[in-house]
Amino acid sequence: EVQQVESGGGLVQPGGSLRLSCAASGFTFSTYWMHWVRQTPGKGLVWVSSINSDGRSTRYADSVKGRFTISRDNAKNTLYLQMNSLRAEDTAVYFCARGGSVVFQDWGQGTLVTVSS
Amino acid sequence: QSALTQPRSVSGSPGQSVTFSCTGSSSDVGNYNYVSWYQHHPGKAPKLMIYDVSERPSGVPDRFSGSKSGNTASLTISGLQAEDEADYYCCSYAGSYTLVFGGGTTLTVL
Repeated sequence: EVQQVESGGGLVQPGGSLRLSCAASGFTFSTYWMHWVRQTPGKGLVWVSSINSDGRSTRYADSVKGRFTISRDNAKNTLYLQMNSLRAEDTAVYFCARGGSVVFQDWGQGTLVTVSS
Repeated sequence: QSALTQPRSVSGSPGQSVTFSCTGSSSDVGNYNYVSWYQHHPGKAPKLMIYDVSERPSGVPDRFSGSKSGNTASLTISGLQAEDEADYYCCSYAGSYTLVFGGGTTLTVL
């Protein structure tokens, strides 16, 4: 069974940092693009970042560029999102998803990040 | 990276057909055949329903279909069922290695 389990969310103060993880199983992790998508409270989905199968190509939404870093460890079947200089507007449920370069094929259940003092 | 435009809500009765619109621009929907649609029941993982404008992943019923005309993509659900009640999001490739979602449409099955 294909599964992605996000972890690492929590409460952090503005300006703080957090690292999200996404443990993948049930598929050959090293052959898929992986993505992070977030959903702010009461609002819609927003694409955050993507990384190709070998980790050499990364992409970011303008709103997080320079603050967030996506990475992966194919030996551990794990995707990461390092989030620095967090702002209140980064408060959201963060989903990881596997897929191609332009499609989100399977999603995790998400992890909640709250940025507040 | 402006969000695609979706109506906030759509409703229909069981057995009817409903269509969701997703309007972008010549920089995204109009320029690429990389539009996908996602069904999201709040509190659960979103689910891919359509990709590449009109392709259906295995396991998605053929009641779901997608199309595109100019800068507007559409998702149609025929033979509406109670379990179809959810939020639906479109997403498009927007060039420069970026992706953009619509604001989402809430489907109510009457």
